[in-house]
Formats: sequence, C-alpha cells, structure tokens
Amino acid sequence: EADIYQTPRYLVIGTGKKITLECSQTMGHDKMYWYQQDPGMELHLIHYSYGVNSTEKGDLSSESTVSRIRTEHFPLTLESARPSHTSQYLCASSEYPRTGGMDGYTFGSGTRLTVV
Amino acid sequence: AQSVAQPEDQVNVAEGNPLTVKCTYSVSGNPYLFWYVQYPNRGLQFLLKYITGDNLVKGSYGFEAEFNKSQTSFHLKKPSALVSDSALYFCAALNSGYSTLTFGKGTMLLVSP
Repeated sequence: EADIYQTPRYLVIGTGKKITLECSQTMGHDKMYWYQQDPGMELHLIHYSYGVNSTEKGDLSSESTVSRIRTEHFPLTLESARPSHTSQYLCASSEYPRTGGMDGYTFGSGTRLTVV
Repeated sequence: AQSVAQPEDQVNVAEGNPLTVKCTYSVSGNPYLFWYVQYPNRGLQFLLKYITGDNLVKGSYGFEAEFNKSQTSFHLKKPSALVSDSALYFCAALNSGYSTLTFGKGTMLLVSP
C-alpha cells in the first residue's frame, strides 16, 4: 500500500472558507507534488517542491499556496475557496535527486473537494 | 516543449481479448516513459517504466509496453483483458530536467464481460 497519505478524502465546504489539504509521506522522498485533476480527468501540475523550504509553481496557475517546512509534509492551502476550485487534488512524491526521478512518482489517494 | 499524447479517450475490449492503449511522446533527449493506472476515487498507481534497454517492458498485473523510438510511441498492451482492468490509464514522460512528469490526458479502458 502507498506510503503517502492525504486527508481528508472528501470535503464539502462553503464559498469563502479557508481550507488546508494535508499530504504526508513516510518514504523520506525529497520531491513532492500537487496535481489538480479536472472533471475530464486531465492532470495539471499546480505546485512542487525539491525539499524543505523549496516550493515552485507548476504548469497550471492556481490560487492555492503550499509550504514545505518538514520533508514529510506538503500541505496545500486555499485562502478563500470558490466553486471553481471544485476538483480532485492529488499529492505525489519521488525519490529525487538520488534516482533522478526515474523511479516515477508515488501518489496519495486524493482529496475530492467540493465548494458550494 | 515536451508533450505526451493519448489519442483515444476510451478503449473498449471484450474480456479475454488483447488490449492496446496508445501513447506517443515528444521529448528532447532520451525519453523516460511511464504508465500509471487510476481506479475510481483513487490516486494513480505505477504500472511500468521505460528508462533504457529492451524495447518491451513488463510491468504489474500482466501489462507490458512496447517502446518504439522511430514512431515515438510507448503503447500499453495486455494479451488477455480482465473486467478488473477497467480503469483510467495515463502515459507520462519525465521532462529533460528530470524535475517533473508530463502526463497525457488519460484513456478510459472498459473491459466488458
């Protein structure tokens, strides 16, 4: 079973609320990622991190922010949720740089967010 | 720019028949290619990868993929489909800086009994 955990699995919240999606991994991976999966099921990279105190924006512009204070923890925060943020959010990690990313990613089970 | 294309939104196959899910790629430098599977309400699971070596790569659950450099393809195959193989399949390529994976749009595989 995957050693990367996302909580909550499902979340329904009202517009304007602040939310944090949690992601933790126990594999000691340096690199972590957040993907947004739209209803058409495409995956869009929104944030990634090379390690502690490193964060980068991904290919898709996002109103969310991330932090990486500990290696194992990579939370994603929405300051003011809107219905357009309704999506599935997937967290992943990889053992970069040692393997150069060539082992691919390990994914969490995802958080399905609905903003009403 | 690097890209991965999965030309079929959906593939339908009868149980017991062979299946192919297509993927083509466009990368600079050596291609490092992956297949992932996603079951409903789950994250993605790693199936197999091509880094170097044999063009036929074997992976989990009886899947294999054929790397073809001249056609820039990395098609996923299985000799005999199972109903339980029904899921969403993603092809991906590691970008030239080895920092992130670029995913295709995904192909839904439906295996009928």
